[in-house]
Amino acid sequence: NAGVTQTPKFRILKIGQSMTLQCAQDMNHNYMYWYRQDPGMGLKLIYYSVGAGITDKGEVPNGYNVSRSTTEDFPLRLELAAPSQTSVYFCASSLLSEQFFGPGTRLTVL
Amino acid sequence: RKEVEQDPGPFNVPEGATVAFNCTYSNSASQSFFWYRQDCRKEPKLLMSVYSSGNEDGRFTAQLNRASQYISLLIRDSKLSDSATYLCVVNGGSSNTGKLIFGQGTTLQVKP
Repeated sequence: NAGVTQTPKFRILKIGQSMTLQCAQDMNHNYMYWYRQDPGMGLKLIYYSVGAGITDKGEVPNGYNVSRSTTEDFPLRLELAAPSQTSVYFCASSLLSEQFFGPGTRLTVL
Repeated sequence: RKEVEQDPGPFNVPEGATVAFNCTYSNSASQSFFWYRQDCRKEPKLLMSVYSSGNEDGRFTAQLNRASQYISLLIRDSKLSDSATYLCVVNGGSSNTGKLIFGQGTTLQVKP
């Protein structure tokens, strides 16, 4: 099992560019989540999904979009990158209560 | 008021010391409680769940006080490898979405 995988590991974007952060899990988990973590801060929930075809907003959804066409994949889309979106992005999945995290994507917007 | 509050530290302790972290949460409907560990520049990983009766896993003991909405983590005989950030985590209330609320974390540095 690869667990939760994320690509890319690092990315630098210019203001106004778009990109998709990829997340995949091979544990057949129904629940998947996207978080962002700013330096010295806790994780903030961006979007989550309770199953294929179902997504919902978390605490900080503005500037992001998600889709969940399969159980395995949960990509996060940034349409118009802004410096405020500079952060580390973690994807996670869970079957019950324990969440398993991917290694993260470090995104810088300049 | 933050939903989950922790003292960010850092806590600097010598090897072998006992150290305790505390956490308070605001949602009285929360049902599940956890401590996660996050190493520098890495993803969080589950350290232990926290049960109402308190639970122990080796050198780690977790306690829950529902009346005071308070969670604690005790680490005995600290090792250098315990240096990390410890995240207090609470589920987002009674809804069945698996949503978790993370505290900002308490940083522990164990010195030789």
